[in-house]
Amino acid sequence: DAGVIQSPRHEVTEMGQEVTLRCKPISGHNSLFWYRQTMMRGLELLIYFNNNVPIDDSGMPEDRFSAKMPNASFSTLKIQPSEPRDSAVYFCASSLGSGGSYEQYFGPGTRLTVT
Amino acid sequence: SQQGEEDPQALSIQEGENATMNCSYKTSINNLQWYRQNSGRGLVHLILIRSNEREKHSGRLRVTLDTSKKSSSLLITASRAADTASYFCATGSNYKLTFGKGTLLTVNP
Repeated sequence: DAGVIQSPRHEVTEMGQEVTLRCKPISGHNSLFWYRQTMMRGLELLIYFNNNVPIDDSGMPEDRFSAKMPNASFSTLKIQPSEPRDSAVYFCASSLGSGGSYEQYFGPGTRLTVT
Repeated sequence: SQQGEEDPQALSIQEGENATMNCSYKTSINNLQWYRQNSGRGLVHLILIRSNEREKHSGRLRVTLDTSKKSSSLLITASRAADTASYFCATGSNYKLTFGKGTLLTVNP
């Protein structure tokens, strides 16, 4: 099994540009999570999908952030326009079941730097 | 806000020693999970303990859960240099996991 796949692994962009992060969950998993990790705030849940439907997006910082899951094997997290404070490592994770009742499998992350 | 809080924030030991990390939380949970993160990598699941369990073992790992004190501990026995990583507890509710800020464990050869 390939595990959770994220792309790109690193992204450097200028303030104001659009950034799109991509995730392919493990086949058969029905839940997908997007997290952001920074030194200051630790690991924060941004949004959670179950069966491709957004269940909880209360962690999305503001309207500049949006996430989609058009099918069971693909999700995107978009930031438009990007700001320096968005610099962080963004992780995608998937699990077999809903919510916090199952172990989650994390991708390698995308390190985003906004200058 | 973060649910679990790990203690200590950092721990440095010699190879072969045991390492104990603690996690405290504030509200009711249905499970508690521990994850490891090596520098620059994603988190890796170590062990899940349900709220009706008190202790669980996996290899050199031992996890305890005390729901009356809202606390958990992770014990790594006979540590190795390869155990050097950050360790996170995560409290599980019906719909999400909430992670603490982690304990940085350094195992010196």
